[in-house]
Amino acid sequence: DTAVSQTPKYLVTQMGNDKSIKCEQNLGHDTMYWYKQDSKKFLKIMFSYNNKELIINETVPNRFSPKSPDKAHLNLHINSLELGDSAVYFCASSPGRASGYTFGSGTRLTVV
Amino acid sequence: GENVEQHPSTLSVQEGDSAVIKCTYSDSASNYFPWYKQELGKRPQLIIDIRSNVGEKKDQRIAVTLNKTAKHFSLHITETQPEDSAVYFCAASLDGAGSYQLTFGKGTKLSVIP
Repeated sequence: DTAVSQTPKYLVTQMGNDKSIKCEQNLGHDTMYWYKQDSKKFLKIMFSYNNKELIINETVPNRFSPKSPDKAHLNLHINSLELGDSAVYFCASSPGRASGYTFGSGTRLTVV
Repeated sequence: GENVEQHPSTLSVQEGDSAVIKCTYSDSASNYFPWYKQELGKRPQLIIDIRSNVGEKKDQRIAVTLNKTAKHFSLHITETQPEDSAVYFCAASLDGAGSYQLTFGKGTKLSVIP
């Protein structure tokens, strides 16, 4: 039973399109995150939600909009996709502050 | 905010040798330091972590040391095996009000040569 699941695993789309990535965790964790991993493997925080409340919103273009309908779900919607958005997007969850994350399997987004 | 530096960026070792990866952090208030292993095409997975009230922690062939005064921590892998080949990330976090973010180092690609 997958602890943190993301869909889709792969996403190929054209510039200018709008797409969504979904994330669900069944660990009962309070906090969920979105990270972007670029081609150099650098993991950069994008957003963090705690019990459906936005906690961290790093300098991310406002084309990216997270949504947390409940504490088990954190979705990411991206408008007007650009070539530079191509990356692997990881969802993660944790039980609280100063604790390890459990990552989802990632969504490889390719914008053509 | 927190800044985590990780070295080296790539590391090649012969099977059976030891590997050491070092990280430094900037915020002296940080008190939680996990290490993640990411195999090719897979998700990062937590392999070991240490908190600031502990100087060293060991789990079989891996160990982590922390020097709070110098603000650095290290991952040690002994008797390396080919399956240890992966990218390793260190991270730091502050356990405080409103602090939910792990700041990651840029990763170390470890190659274990059979």
